[in-house]
Amino acid sequence: NAGVTQTPKFRILKIGQSMTLQCAQDMNHNYMYWYRQDPGMGLKLIYYSVGAGITDKGEVPNGYNVSRSTTEDFPLRLELAAPSQTSVYFCASSQGNTIYFGEGSWLTVV
Amino acid sequence: GDSVTQMEGPVTLSEEAFLTINCTYTATGYPSLFWYVQYPGEGLQLLLKATKADDKGSNKGFEATYRKETTSFHLEKGSVQVSDSAVYFCALILNSNSGYALNFGKGTSLLVTP
Repeated sequence: NAGVTQTPKFRILKIGQSMTLQCAQDMNHNYMYWYRQDPGMGLKLIYYSVGAGITDKGEVPNGYNVSRSTTEDFPLRLELAAPSQTSVYFCASSQGNTIYFGEGSWLTVV
Repeated sequence: GDSVTQMEGPVTLSEEAFLTINCTYTATGYPSLFWYVQYPGEGLQLLLKATKADDKGSNKGFEATYRKETTSFHLEKGSVQVSDSAVYFCALILNSNSGYALNFGKGTSLLVTP
């Protein structure tokens, strides 16, 4: 039972590089989310999607882009990485108000 | 806007002590309320939830009651174990245009010592 799968788990980026965090869910959920978690803080919503082809900004979208071409996949793209994007990133999906989280992706920008 | 405020940590308790972690919320509607737990190096797991006033969520010995009159959802456990050491997040959802996106508190770190 895979649930929500995120890759990579760890990544170090240099300032100005770009990368994509992958997220896939096998529960046929319509809703998917990307959060970031900074030390000592709760999770902040970056982007969300209510279904394939539909995405929208959350609380902290600057510096990120997403796409949702299929129900299963919701990749998060970082363009021109900055030190402020050093964080732990969590993907999640839901059908109704029970939300399932991936295990997180630890990203460091140096 | 909608927000969640939970008590500052870290909280350090001896094994078998009573635990309370306070959580209050501000919302314009009628949110669903949640407690999530995060063990070191892991993602978040749903601990319990309540979807309407006076509902009590419970799981693994933890309980929380949705109190509309005090806008609170305090987490309690009668006897904590070392294995309960983790960070606990209170969160709310308002059914809105953002699907069921969670709005989190900052988290409360709990350390239980033998």
